[in-house]
Amino acid sequence: GESVGLHLPTLSVQEGDNSIINCAYSNSASDYFIWYKQESGKGPQFIIDIRSNMDKRQGQRVTVLLNKTVKHLSLQIAATQPGDSAVYFCAENEGSNYKLTFGKGTLLTVNP
Amino acid sequence: EPEVTQTPSHQVTQMGQEVILRCVPISNHLYFYWYRQILGQKVEFLVSFYNNEISEKSEIFDDQFSVERPDGSNFTLKIRSTKLEDSAMYFCASSDQFGETQYFGPGTRLLVL
Repeated sequence: GESVGLHLPTLSVQEGDNSIINCAYSNSASDYFIWYKQESGKGPQFIIDIRSNMDKRQGQRVTVLLNKTVKHLSLQIAATQPGDSAVYFCAENEGSNYKLTFGKGTLLTVNP
Repeated sequence: EPEVTQTPSHQVTQMGQEVILRCVPISNHLYFYWYRQILGQKVEFLVSFYNNEISEKSEIFDDQFSVERPDGSNFTLKIRSTKLEDSAMYFCASSDQFGETQYFGPGTRLLVL
């Protein structure tokens, strides 16, 4: 089975609203998590990461929250813009440097 | 800003033919990876490479696949005898000395006919 999965396959928001994208993971040994953005026809683009010894990390307009108790990860995007429309993947590193395990992805659509 | 580059952007080949996908990782990175993404599906790990040898590989990475770092800048993925199910986007990635944040290239779209 999958060790990383997403609760919502699609999310549609209005421009200016905040977006929350969720991800569940099952491997308690995972110690590093990354959110990637993938636009159509392009490669995954790094957004933000978080280590398992943290529960929150903020970037520019983005915040990642990690709840290790329930093995849940979320990406919050503030003041969502049309350029944020893409598929968002969470990925986990299972304690090694050598591979990432990706979730299925959530399609975010921002309506003007 | 440094980035991972890949060539070609698109490759069409006949079943049974060999293909070589090329990547130039970010110059000071030490860890290199190949992933693939079948249309509409999630990104899947294929192989990682460090210090001129494979660090880890997935079940997908069978004897038909090989990787090589022929010089100080290129990193290649070879598929010896392509199958229809090899059709996918292939992404190269690299990470720095801490081996965690992986930066991806734009991908090569491989179509096997």
